Amino acid sequence: QVRLQESGPGLVKASQTLSLTCTVSGGSSSSGGYYWYWIRQHPGKGLEWIGYIYYSGTTHYNPSLKSRVTISVDTSKNQFFLNLYSVTAADTAVYYCARDLGYCTGSNCYSLVYWGRGILVTVSS
Amino acid sequence: DIVMTQSPLSLPVTPGEPASISCRSSQSLLHSNGYNYLDWYLQKPGQSPQLLIYVGSYRASGVPDRFSGSGSGTDFTLQISRVEAEDVGVYYCMQGLQTPFTFGPGTKVDFK
Repeated sequence: QVRLQESGPGLVKASQTLSLTCTVSGGSSSSGGYYWYWIRQHPGKGLEWIGYIYYSGTTHYNPSLKSRVTISVDTSKNQFFLNLYSVTAADTAVYYCARDLGYCTGSNCYSLVYWGRGILVTVSS
Repeated sequence: DIVMTQSPLSLPVTPGEPASISCRSSQSLLHSNGYNYLDWYLQKPGQSPQLLIYVGSYRASGVPDRFSGSGSGTDFTLQISRVEAEDVGVYYCMQGLQTPFTFGPGTKVDFK
């Protein structure tokens, strides 16, 4: 069973960098065919897709955050990372990491089958 | 970006009765491989979202068969044949056809 666990500071000061780690167990971030994601949820609100990384390092980001976000991976540690720069109070949210189904229809399915429990990050002024 | 809408946004239900949620996308979600890249998730209170239905109509592993997904193109439906107590929460649809992947606003299902 694949498990994902987010970790990092729960409090970040405005204008600083939010840095989170997702540790994968029961599987491998170096496994081909899967994409690894960051999604966030503002308090009491819906879900926002931040971006993904493929094990090879290919990334894709939400244009609404693109200039402030990087996602990276360390396959040797089975971890992937989120860095969100120049944060403001609007970045206060629960941040989730997730993995997709991989190949399911002869092509990749980006359905998010494994999720971490989420970590609340509060941006303080 | 593809905009996702859901209706209703709130759905009071009666245990044992059927329920239905609609999801609509601003563009067709039909992939060139013939599948619709539309998923359904349930976020139970205090939990992470869990995948229920992928590519429109396929139940994820471990999902009870009272859940079913249908639709094609821009119009999709999640149906629960008989609602059970464990089904309360917020249901989201998500399109995985075009980045940025986008979610619907959510439909809150709770008991009357």
